[in-house]
Amino acid sequence: ETGVTQTPRHLVMGMTNKKSLKCEQHLGHNAMYWYKQSAKKPLELMFVYSLEERVENNSVPSRFSPECPNSSHLFLHLHTLQPEDSALYLCASSQGTWPEAFFGQGTRLTVV
Amino acid sequence: AQSVTQPDIHITVSEGASLELRCNYSYGATPYLFWYVQSPGQGLQLLLKYFSGDTLVQGIKGFEAEFKRSQSSFNLRKPSVHWSDAAEYFCAVGNSGYSTLTFGKGTMLLVSP
Repeated sequence: ETGVTQTPRHLVMGMTNKKSLKCEQHLGHNAMYWYKQSAKKPLELMFVYSLEERVENNSVPSRFSPECPNSSHLFLHLHTLQPEDSALYLCASSQGTWPEAFFGQGTRLTVV
Repeated sequence: AQSVTQPDIHITVSEGASLELRCNYSYGATPYLFWYVQSPGQGLQLLLKYFSGDTLVQGIKGFEAEFKRSQSSFNLRKPSVHWSDAAEYFCAVGNSGYSTLTFGKGTMLLVSP
């Protein structure tokens, strides 16, 4: 099994829908991250969790709500999204404050 | 604030030719530097990393990179490109605080026959 697994791989949702992205890491790491990758823009860090506590929130709109129930799982709950939220959402993990991050395959989100 | 510049948006290389992708960074202290590769529709795979020590680092798939502090650069090289190397390459700089990596905008590598 791969180190960081994201589901679903593809998601199409309407602006009034509620959906969740899931990330699971099998590397024994204790920090997890959500990144957003939009066309023509650099990867943007959205949230950082360390030991299930949120340590960083980069001014992300409240329509994105993260959840980290344990050090192996990370969710991103989505509601009332906008078309400009369409992007590839990447989950990553690392060990503590060590900077090397391991990424999942991503979820391609399309908001219609 | 840290930043990364990848000046080339696209590069086309003939199969079997050598490759160099440029990366310049801005960071106040000794940086942690990374190169990642992303195939279409996929996540990011770590190619190599520099933390300290020898400034020439070897990575997977035959890639290497050289850290040059005086030029604030961390260029990626490969002596002979294969068609399977066609992908997007990202340079990143990080610190020791919860892997808050800053990425460049990426360079798309196209490999011609």
